Amino acid sequence: KAGVTQTPRYLIKTRGQQVTLSCSPISGHRSVSWYQQTPGQGLQFLFEYFSETQRNKGNFPGRFSGRQFSNSRSEMNVSTLELGDSALYLCASSLRWVDSPYGYTFGSGTRLTVV
Amino acid sequence: GQNIDQPTEMTATEGAIVQINCTYQTSGFNGLFWYQQHAGEAPTFLSYNVLDGLEEKGRFSSFLSRSKGYSYLLLKELQMKDSASYLCAVRDKTDNYGQNFVFGPGTRLSVLP
Repeated sequence: KAGVTQTPRYLIKTRGQQVTLSCSPISGHRSVSWYQQTPGQGLQFLFEYFSETQRNKGNFPGRFSGRQFSNSRSEMNVSTLELGDSALYLCASSLRWVDSPYGYTFGSGTRLTVV
Repeated sequence: GQNIDQPTEMTATEGAIVQINCTYQTSGFNGLFWYQQHAGEAPTFLSYNVLDGLEEKGRFSSFLSRSKGYSYLLLKELQMKDSASYLCAVRDKTDNYGQNFVFGPGTRLSVLP
């Protein structure tokens, strides 16, 4: 059973540019959540998508957006990049069964560096 | 608000036992999870508690007290490969179908020979 696939693994961008990250969840998982991880802030929730609709949103500016396709694959976009956006971006897929004992399965992440 | 606290760093010796504590204050509660994250890698699921008590899984055990907003992860017979960050996360029920996870800052465990 394939795991959660995130592409690319590493990315270097310049301030002001935009970036798109991709996540393919585990087959059968329809919920995809995105997190930003930095040494100082830990794992911060960005948003969750389920059935092509954003269901939950964290406290991030509108420069951060996402979408989900009919095959459950998700993309995250960050526009007008800032130096502070440098982080590891993790995608997590789940069954979105509220009582699931399994929680999330995380992808390996995309390491974004903004210079 | 939602808040989860864990010690920032811990050090222990190979073969020893270590307990990593987690306290939480969240608006809802639908389970507490522990994840292990090695440097540069994705977090991986370790354990799940939804009822009070101890859940044992090999060398790892996790305890929950919902009334105290408290959990701990117990690692026995420590091995060098257990050096990693350990993340405590609470699942908060947001709607009938939704789930929202709040993560603690993580505890970086160093196992020394």
